[in-house]
Amino acid sequence: NAGVTQTPKFQVLKTGQSMTLQCAQDMNHNSMYWYRQDPGMGLRLIYYSASEGTTDKGEVPNGYNVSRLNKREFSLRLESAAPSQTSVYFCASREGGVPYEQYFGPGTRLTVT
Amino acid sequence: GENVEQHPSTLSVQEGDSAVIKCTYSDSASNYFPWYKQELGKRPQLIIDIRSNVGEKKDQRIAVTLNKTAKHFSLHITETQPEDSAVYFCAALASGGSYIPTFGRGTSLIVHP
Repeated sequence: NAGVTQTPKFQVLKTGQSMTLQCAQDMNHNSMYWYRQDPGMGLRLIYYSASEGTTDKGEVPNGYNVSRLNKREFSLRLESAAPSQTSVYFCASREGGVPYEQYFGPGTRLTVT
Repeated sequence: GENVEQHPSTLSVQEGDSAVIKCTYSDSASNYFPWYKQELGKRPQLIIDIRSNVGEKKDQRIAVTLNKTAKHFSLHITETQPEDSAVYFCAALASGGSYIPTFGRGTSLIVHP
């Protein structure tokens, strides 16, 4: 049982390049989330998927797109990376209903130059 | 929407001392308040949570208190140890919706041996 996994762990992009961050969970959770973490800013929600087949914007969705590929996988795409997207990205999942605990992946550290 | 304020941003204590981190929230509909611990370079992990029908909850050296009237909740760590050094995040959410927690900005706790 690997929990929530993310790839890659580190990535450096040039401004304007695109990339997709991958997230998968093996806990049969219904809901999945993408957060970004910047120093002093806490965890800010980018997009979430309450259940397979649905996605919704969070607090900071501009410049990102997501795909809930199936129940296990939720990907985050940067179409044209900008230096402001330099951050650590965390994927999370939860079962739905009770309990409310979110399980986080190990994170992806992205640098855009 | 919900707004969560967390203080202090940094807390430095000597080993064996107690540490208190405080959070306030704005939405009276919030009824679930988790606390996450994030060690350096690691993922956030749930350490304790409290629901609005409970005023206090303890788990060994960690306790959380909630004052619904004042809309604030606090994390108390007693007999601190160096391994308690981490960033702690509070969060608030209303459990009846799509479960979107709002996180505080985090407190960096440093425990000096």
